[in-house]
Amino acid sequence: NAGVMQNPRHLVRRRGQEARLRCSPMKGHSHVYWYRQLPEEGLKFMVYLQKENIIDESGMPKERFSAEFPKEGPSILRIQQVVRGDSAAYFCASSPITSGFYEQYFGPGTRLTVT
Amino acid sequence: GNSVTQMEGPVTLSEEAFLTINCTYTATGYPSLFWYVQYPGEGLQLLLKATKADDKGSNKGFEATYRKETTSFHLEKGSVQVSDSAVYFCALSGMDSNYQLIWGAGTKLIIKP
Repeated sequence: NAGVMQNPRHLVRRRGQEARLRCSPMKGHSHVYWYRQLPEEGLKFMVYLQKENIIDESGMPKERFSAEFPKEGPSILRIQQVVRGDSAAYFCASSPITSGFYEQYFGPGTRLTVT
Repeated sequence: GNSVTQMEGPVTLSEEAFLTINCTYTATGYPSLFWYVQYPGEGLQLLLKATKADDKGSNKGFEATYRKETTSFHLEKGSVQVSDSAVYFCALSGMDSNYQLIWGAGTKLIIKP
């Protein structure tokens, strides 16, 4: 069973460009979460999605950031007009449909560098 | 609100030394507690977990016990190896938002041969 896949692993963008990060959850998982890790810090929750639904985006910046998880295909985190402060590692996690607590499985991350 | 506090790193030990990485938390109700490990250049891997008070999670020689009375979940290993060098994160998922993991800042562990 393949794990959570993220691509690209490394992404370099100039200020003002768009960054598009992809995440394919584990087979059978229908819940996807995005986290951001700034250098020397822990992860910060950004958004929680199920297929075609945004469940909780309370951790997403109000502007320039958006996320989707379509019926078919990977989840996408989109950052428009990137700035240097967007440079970070972005991790995707997925979980199966369960009740109770959610055990999340993480992908290898996308390291975004804005120049 | 919910929070996790970890001991600051880096922690530097010699091979075969005993390891403790402290983790304390603040949370309402009875959260689930996790330790994740991040090896250089890789994503996070779940190392162990505990879902209720007095549970002990264990994996790969690492252990942590959910202590409700001291709100702690300290990570221990009896004899570390160079391959244990990584960053270790303590996290919790709370009852009010049990999908939104709350993370400590991470503790970098360096094991010298």
